[in-house]
Amino acid sequence: DAKTTQPTSMDCAEGRAANLPCNHSTISGNEYVYWYRQIHSQGPQYIIHGLKNNETNEMASLIITEDRKSSTLILPHATLRDTAVYYCIASYQKVTFGTGTKLQVIP
Amino acid sequence: DAGITQSPRHKVTETGTPVTLRCHQTENHRYMYWYRQDPGHGLRLIHYSYGVKDTDKGEVSDGYSVSRSKTEDFLLTLESATSSQTSVYFCAIRGGDSYEQYFGPGTRLTVT
Repeated sequence: DAKTTQPTSMDCAEGRAANLPCNHSTISGNEYVYWYRQIHSQGPQYIIHGLKNNETNEMASLIITEDRKSSTLILPHATLRDTAVYYCIASYQKVTFGTGTKLQVIP
Repeated sequence: DAGITQSPRHKVTETGTPVTLRCHQTENHRYMYWYRQDPGHGLRLIHYSYGVKDTDKGEVSDGYSVSRSKTEDFLLTLESATSSQTSVYFCAIRGGDSYEQYFGPGTRLTVT
């Protein structure tokens, strides 16, 4: 798995877009970018994944740079319930979690 | 939500006793995983299974064994629990034709 680098923590105002960056400069051609989040002590929750194209689903958008060395997860209208630790993973099949970004959504 | 349950949800046991955690799925997914989560370490893979009776080690497999005798159940056994195995254990499942994993609610294990 490629190593990923994420900021330790971020704040976002409620109702605004939350943009969470991830660096994965050593990603190889067959490795996908995955995003998961973990709310308090619950099990991690899958959000989205992509290979090289931008992706969007009902939860978020994933923007991957053309060279695939970094990506950004976008929560378009953050709510208090989006407060969580967000994990960015670059992997082919196995999913290896780092320590993620703690996102605090502020009222 | 994916049909995945873990039992027990909480357990306190003494050092040296055997412990078995169960993961049960109703999705008929091929892949199943056991992780542990400790402060400062994120989630670490213990063992995984890619089919009935097919298992392999993860990054922190020492002191743990697993078994999968049927598709829906994946058991994690601590043969002789130690205090270093105090942790929150998560099970996850994945379908054969997808890459995303779905996680169970976790089991909090305390070894005294």
